[in-house]
Amino acid sequence: EVQLVESGGNLVQPGGSLRLSCAASGFTFTDHFMAWVRQAPGKGLEWVGHTANKAKNYDTQYAASVRGRFAISRDESKNSMYLQVNSLKTEDTAVYYCVKGVGGTTNFDHWGQGTLVTVSS
Amino acid sequence: DIQMTQSPSSLSASVGDRVTITCRVSQDISNALVWYQQKPGKAPKLLLYAASRLESGVPSRFSGSRSGTEYTLTISSLQPEDFATYYCQHYYSNPSFGGGTKVEVK
Repeated sequence: EVQLVESGGNLVQPGGSLRLSCAASGFTFTDHFMAWVRQAPGKGLEWVGHTANKAKNYDTQYAASVRGRFAISRDESKNSMYLQVNSLKTEDTAVYYCVKGVGGTTNFDHWGQGTLVTVSS
Repeated sequence: DIQMTQSPSSLSASVGDRVTITCRVSQDISNALVWYQQKPGKAPKLLLYAASRLESGVPSRFSGSRSGTEYTLTISSLQPEDFATYYCQHYYSNPSFGGGTKVEVK
């Protein structure tokens, strides 16, 4: 059974940083694209960025709204993905979901339960 | 970037109704589109992929179709558990989502 468990969400002041983690299990982690998708309170879904699979050298892509502030990484040995979020803004307040792609695509077939990041002074 | 225009943003319907939600895409995405269902406080759930292929375990009352750059999600006979918000998303390039459609009780 595929499981994606996020952690690391917290209340942080504007300008601050956090590292979100996603522990994955139940599938071959290196074979699949992995992504972060966020949802601000009462709003829709927004793709944050993704990391490709090992075959595509774990290439990363980011939404324009976070490029230069957020960074996605993976640790194969821990079957985990991370999202380093820096220079946080109030508009980054959202539930952040860890999402698994179907093979080498961003067709997302499994989602974690989400972790809440609140940016406020 | 590919733009996704989803409509309507909300609709009111009754159990047994046929419901149609549309997603207009700004360019050809060759059926690289999925539909999700999201209930309050929960993560989205994949319903259909490749525009019209039903994800395993999803009831057959859900279907998807395409006409040009317009993609449609149809619920043939709305059930009580189908009241939720629905999103389209393309995966042709860096993904983007439609704005969502909230299906409410009439």
